[in-house]
Amino acid sequence: DGGITQSPKYLFRKEGQNVTLSCEQNLNHDAMYWYRQDPGQGLRLIYYSQIVNDFQKGDIAEGYSVSREKKESFPLTVTSAQKNPTAFYLCASSIGVIGQGNTGELFFGEGSRLTVL
Amino acid sequence: DAKTTQPPSMDCAEGRAANLPCNHSTISGNEYVYWYRQIHSQGPQYIIHGLKNNETNEMASLIITEDRKSSTLILPHATLRDTAVYYCIVRGWGNTGKLIFGQGTTLQVKP
Repeated sequence: DGGITQSPKYLFRKEGQNVTLSCEQNLNHDAMYWYRQDPGQGLRLIYYSQIVNDFQKGDIAEGYSVSREKKESFPLTVTSAQKNPTAFYLCASSIGVIGQGNTGELFFGEGSRLTVL
Repeated sequence: DAKTTQPPSMDCAEGRAANLPCNHSTISGNEYVYWYRQIHSQGPQYIIHGLKNNETNEMASLIITEDRKSSTLILPHATLRDTAVYYCIVRGWGNTGKLIFGQGTTLQVKP
């Protein structure tokens, strides 16, 4: 089945360590996104990519890095520079153009919950 | 992308219609209104979208005002399973750029 897969679902990290969250999609979508969600809060955009080998910062990019070497994959690295990394991370993808036989909706993964010990 | 404003929370009695408002006063002509919902600790789920006309699907109805500055998501017969956070966002045709989610509205459906 087509969809978007995030891994791991739960991750624990010691302070000072970098960690990489995986996001893979087989929907042939051009655009991919990473959001962060804190308890009781909405989604905040970290990074997004509209095409392979290109990505832009969202509203809270500091302490994070991404790559987009393949259309299917958009991994997020949470670096030691991120001051408060404990959060729920959501990856999403979207087709580029609305209306050509599609809804243009964002498809979300199930999320990765990162806890820094 | 235009920003949206939603009330932080709403209650609704089970079996009654839930009407969730969204203000998007700075929406531009080619931007669609999208609604998603998020059940606790899951990824958000698409509900419905529209441009100018009212829309209906098996999940909900979307009413967009004539000036397009606001919209209302209607869940016609709310159930306990509709308890979730509902997000309204706007997105332009062909625009896959900076898609911003606000705080959303927490809908509590009560027995």
